[in-house]
Amino acid sequence: ETGVTQSPTHLIKTRGQQVTLRCSSQSGHNTVSWYQQALGQGPQFIFQYYREEENGRGNFPPRFSGLQFPNYSSELNVNALELDDSALYLCASSLGTGTDTQYFGPGTRLTVL
Amino acid sequence: KNEVEQSPQNLTAQEGEFITINCSYSVGISALHWLQQHPGGGIVSLFMLSSGKKKHGRLIATINIQEKHSSLHITASHPRDSAVYICAVSRNSGYSTLTFGKGTMLLVSP
Repeated sequence: ETGVTQSPTHLIKTRGQQVTLRCSSQSGHNTVSWYQQALGQGPQFIFQYYREEENGRGNFPPRFSGLQFPNYSSELNVNALELDDSALYLCASSLGTGTDTQYFGPGTRLTVL
Repeated sequence: KNEVEQSPQNLTAQEGEFITINCSYSVGISALHWLQQHPGGGIVSLFMLSSGKKKHGRLIATINIQEKHSSLHITASHPRDSAVYICAVSRNSGYSTLTFGKGTMLLVSP
């Protein structure tokens, strides 16, 4: 077990709604990365937060946004949900933004109907 | 063309067989990672390497930087090795994030 937790485990939403996913990083880790994994695909990088600031972003539209809190836990918010947003959302924590091993949470399975 | 390519996409084996999964990448990297994903989603890091070879139990990972190629070997495979194995690369351009391959689904039968 990595010590990274995510909530909720599963979530069903309808198109157009908004969703918030949560991640608690491993103790002492100040960097959180979020990934989207569609069925049968490898994870795709959404963005990374380091010490409460967005530190890098992948090719995702602005309706994907995030926050990192002083305790380094993090939220992923998705507005105006689309059917293609159905995926497993993974967060990973690490110590620093260099080439460090990332510790993954179990993921949140989002289904958009 | 994806920046990280894995082969094969699916692999079936009998218990005890030697298994090799290959990964090729087309970008400059600071490290290459091998990860394991079980049904249900959880991802576990197996290896992070930037040169040479690493071994952990029955798992061996190698990387050839010049050829931009890595392999993951499993010796004496066991049904509990059944999982998706994912190759990912780190590119440290101000921040480090992972670019993933699509994964190799391994099924080891008793």
